[in-house]
Amino acid sequence: DTGVSQNPRHKITKRGQNVTFRCDPISEHNRLYWYRQTLGQGPEFLTYFQNEAQLEKSRLLSDRFSAERPKGSFSTLEIQRTEQGDSAMYLCASSLGSSLNTGELFFGEGSRLTVL
Amino acid sequence: SQQGEEDPQALSIQEGENATMNCSYKTSINNLQWYRQNSGRGLVHLILIRSNEREKHSGRLRVTLDTSKKSSSLLITASRAADTASYFCATDDSITGLYGGSQGNLIFGKGTKLSVKP
Repeated sequence: DTGVSQNPRHKITKRGQNVTFRCDPISEHNRLYWYRQTLGQGPEFLTYFQNEAQLEKSRLLSDRFSAERPKGSFSTLEIQRTEQGDSAMYLCASSLGSSLNTGELFFGEGSRLTVL
Repeated sequence: SQQGEEDPQALSIQEGENATMNCSYKTSINNLQWYRQNSGRGLVHLILIRSNEREKHSGRLRVTLDTSKKSSSLLITASRAADTASYFCATDDSITGLYGGSQGNLIFGKGTKLSVKP
């Protein structure tokens, strides 16, 4: 399978615990995106990388959230001290972006987080 | 934050009918894209229309873009039960970003939930 892969698919945790999600993008894609989606809403932008550089981060993103993309390959999204409001689907996407446009995004199946 | 706003929020039609969904946005854009999402799954890209294009076709899909009204529409012709899904528009803002062009991220609307009954 050469699509975008996300792990784990489901995570149930207790409030206050840390969680980490991993995303493996399509190998030749230079851009990697993280979005969050709650029920009945569209995906909300969190952050994106061009190769290993984190180029943009949503102003709405709490400092409990951190993302990395070492070596410009896979990426991890860590949420520290989880809160019930963090319960959502976390979507990863990759693309071949350029300076002129973002291009088509290829999404993974998402990682669903439930905070009890 | 979400820029695009789809209308209607929900649409229920019979198989064989056409489905039209609309999207309005706020800022200047480089391009506008439409995505589809089946329940509990990731999003799938349907079509991209650039700011200098007015209409685009792909199979049973027809997309229009009116930059003067900051709006787009997605038409699905001869709908099938398998078209049941949520549909989102997404805009690639033309606000100058790090590289002097695209800001880099894609902003999604809240979506239209389409139900096609057999």
